[in-house]
Amino acid sequence: EAQVTQNPRYLITVTGKKLTVTCSQNMNHEYMSWYRQDPGLGLRQIYYSMNVEVTDKGDVPEGYKVSRKEKRNFPLILESPSPNQTSLYFCASSLSMGHLTYEQYFGPGTRLTVT
Amino acid sequence: AQSVTQPDIHITVSEGASLELRCNYSYGATPYLFWYVQSPGQGLQLLLKYFSGDTLVQGIKGFEAEFKRSQSSFNLRKPSVHWSDAAEYFCAVGDGDNAGNMLTFGGGTRLMVKP
Repeated sequence: EAQVTQNPRYLITVTGKKLTVTCSQNMNHEYMSWYRQDPGLGLRQIYYSMNVEVTDKGDVPEGYKVSRKEKRNFPLILESPSPNQTSLYFCASSLSMGHLTYEQYFGPGTRLTVT
Repeated sequence: AQSVTQPDIHITVSEGASLELRCNYSYGATPYLFWYVQSPGQGLQLLLKYFSGDTLVQGIKGFEAEFKRSQSSFNLRKPSVHWSDAAEYFCAVGDGDNAGNMLTFGGGTRLMVKP
């Protein structure tokens, strides 16, 4: 089954404790992206990756890191989480053909709480 | 910079009634437009998209949307709502000229369906 998976689905942590949220897709998609969803703000892009070893900042990259060492995986790293990073996080992927990127497929989300 | 506005935060309709969810966008060139639905506890699912051509696009689950360039709108419609349509709906615009093809989302409209 074609899908985007995220782990963990729920995470409660404390300020400053490094964490990683994993994202994996099995569709051989080139393009992957991370979003955070906050009430009334919709989804805002954190980072995206056009291909292996190619990443770039989205609209709200502060406090986050990503890496793309393999095509299928795109982990999100919070080196020192703070309470304002409490949010619902979505990973997405899509097929990319040159400059034209098709619709994005979303994972189920990771609800993160930082106390 | 592109932006998306969904003026209605909450909408309640009766089952069987018609539905229209509003979406206005701001984008300099021809936009790539999307509607996604998020059911409770789920990721986002693509309902429909507009890239070019016919301005009335059909999607899944009986939804349709009409692109009106003169009004910078891409409203979502359904002639008869079912209880299972209760969810949050997001309109998004993609920057087709940007290699990253970042999606900018509206704040979302939460739909409630009365029996």
